[in-house]
Amino acid sequence: EVQLVESGGGLVQPGRSLRLSCAASGFTFDDYAMHWVRQAPGKGLEWVSGISWNSGSIGYADSVKGRFTISRDNAKNSLYLQMNSLRAEDTALYYCAKDNCSGGSCYYLGYWGQGTLVTVSS
Amino acid sequence: DIQMTQSPSSLSASVGDRVTITCQASQDISNYLNWYQQKPGKAPKLLIYDASNLETGVPSRFSGSGSGTDFTFTISSLQPEDIATYYCQQYDNLPVTFGPGTKVDIK
Repeated sequence: EVQLVESGGGLVQPGRSLRLSCAASGFTFDDYAMHWVRQAPGKGLEWVSGISWNSGSIGYADSVKGRFTISRDNAKNSLYLQMNSLRAEDTALYYCAKDNCSGGSCYYLGYWGQGTLVTVSS
Repeated sequence: DIQMTQSPSSLSASVGDRVTITCQASQDISNYLNWYQQKPGKAPKLLIYDASNLETGVPSRFSGSGSGTDFTFTISSLQPEDIATYYCQQYDNLPVTFGPGTKVDIK
């Protein structure tokens, strides 16, 4: 059974940093691209970033480019999101999601974790 | 970035009704469009990929169609468990973008 468990969220002051983690199990992690998607309270979904199976291809939303860095450790079956220079508008539930296609990114997000909440406030 | 719009933003329908949601892209995205269902307090669930392909395990009352800029998502016979918000998502160009969502509830 595919499981994605996010951690690392919390309350942080504007301008500070936070690192999110996603522990994956139940599938061959290094075969699949992975993504972060966020949802501000009461709002819709926003794709944040995605990373290919071998970290060779990475993409970001314009709203986080230059501030957030996605990475993965295939040996640890883990996905990360380093978030720097956090802003109030980054407040959201951050989901880790698994791409459906092995060997490449097809952007069908077939499995999602339950999310970790990031609150940016002074 | 490609902008996605959805209509209506919300709807109420009776059990058994046919429900249709439309999604429009700001430019041609071919068939690079997915549909997701999000129930309150839950993570989104992929229902339809590549505009018209049903994800494994998803009931056949859900369907999708369209290509280019205009897409349609249909629930052929609304069930109580279909109460949710539905999102379209394009992946023709990065960044991936989602529509604003359509909230469906029971009349």
